[in-house]
Amino acid sequence: GAVVSQHPSRVICKSGTSVKIECRSLDFQATTMFWYRQFPKQSLMLMATSNEGSKATYEQGVEKDKFLINHASLTLSTLTVTSAHPEDSSFYICSAREGETEAFFGQGTRLTVV
Amino acid sequence: GIQVEQSPPDLILQEGANSTLRCNFSDSVNNLQWFHQNPWGQLINLFYIPSGTKQNGRLSATTVATERYSLLYISSSQTTDSGVYFCAVEPFGAGANNLFFGTGTRLTVIP
Repeated sequence: GAVVSQHPSRVICKSGTSVKIECRSLDFQATTMFWYRQFPKQSLMLMATSNEGSKATYEQGVEKDKFLINHASLTLSTLTVTSAHPEDSSFYICSAREGETEAFFGQGTRLTVV
Repeated sequence: GIQVEQSPPDLILQEGANSTLRCNFSDSVNNLQWFHQNPWGQLINLFYIPSGTKQNGRLSATTVATERYSLLYISSSQTTDSGVYFCAVEPFGAGANNLFFGTGTRLTVIP
């Protein structure tokens, strides 16, 4: 299957700082990328969808000014958590699709805000 | 929005047993995928199955789109099958190819 690489896998940051998470499709062109958030023992919640070169579309209740998404190329999307607070601590997972094909997922990033 | 319910929520099996996991969805879908989330959080693609039946080793899946459900069969379960199984659906006409996840089934296979 196709490979999606997400970095970092784990990050600890101080409250008030910003954290950037990268998501790369290694062997295909990701026309659409998705960002999910997962709390312990819960399902994945879609945060936003981005198409290359376009602004991201955010799901209801997700603050676009806090979770900045950039999809600058067909192989790279970034999620920046701005002015992070402890309640932003979570597991963040990216996904990528080429056209309407199968979606593949990154390894996830465990964010802890202290 | 679309509702995706999975059952059972938890399942404990003896090694070697068979099981069936179910995914019900509330609206028509373009696509459906099954995933296994391992203990480290990685989502492993199992099946891309908007309709019909597919098999891969000890696993098989069937989606009956007209009746809005999908089934994942695990035969001769092994301890390495433990983890959480998710189905995810792309609502028909979503436009942005969004995948929405079900509630998940947590499987524990004991030796």
